Amino acid sequence: DTVLTQSPALAVSPGERVTISCRASESVSTGMHWYQQKPGQQPKLLIYGASNLESGVPARFSGSGSGTDFTLTIDPVEADDTATYFCQQSWNDPFTFGSGTKLEIK
Amino acid sequence: EIQLQESGPGLVKPSQSLSLTCSVTGYTITSGYDWSWIRKFPGNKMEWMGYISNSGSTNYNPSLKIRISITRDTSKNQFFLQLNSVTTEDTATYYCARLTFNYGGFLFDYWGQGVMVTVSS
Repeated sequence: DTVLTQSPALAVSPGERVTISCRASESVSTGMHWYQQKPGQQPKLLIYGASNLESGVPARFSGSGSGTDFTLTIDPVEADDTATYFCQQSWNDPFTFGSGTKLEIK
Repeated sequence: EIQLQESGPGLVKPSQSLSLTCSVTGYTITSGYDWSWIRKFPGNKMEWMGYISNSGSTNYNPSLKIRISITRDTSKNQFFLQLNSVTTEDTATYYCARLTFNYGGFLFDYWGQGVMVTVSS
């Protein structure tokens, strides 16, 4: 299975720019998607196809990357962005998820 | 608005079967898309378990293939998860989700709230 590796946690101040990384154990082309999960809620799709913004998601969120290295950027960060962010790949079978990066807003 | 809602027992004994229901409103599951189960373990690891297509075919994660079954009741617009021979390692929050194909591949665009299932005697 394709393993997706994410840093476990980050802490930033409101107004700053934050990048969350996801590294795949093998190429997933642009088959990478990002989700936000707030405590007690279900995951919410933010970015699909590595860089495409889901409808209704603020333009503060953006994604980039291809192959094995991907980044989710939030600029500027707001207090409401406190959440865990997951990457998910769909290029290789079976679909797999990263272990999540917990973002704390100081 | 499309909504998914999981239901089922929150406690299952080891070696028994786990059975969950996902009720879908706002969209007919036979009209299109695929309908998935995903679980999130304590500690945040997430696992895609499998899906049932709008035509009724299924696709399972190979790690679960011998224990899992996903079925549906089209008259009730529901789909179901059955996981057999559970152990404590199956303790997780279980989500149902709609699987769609978009630029970049397959992704989950609508999710249920999730139901926590504990496997314990």
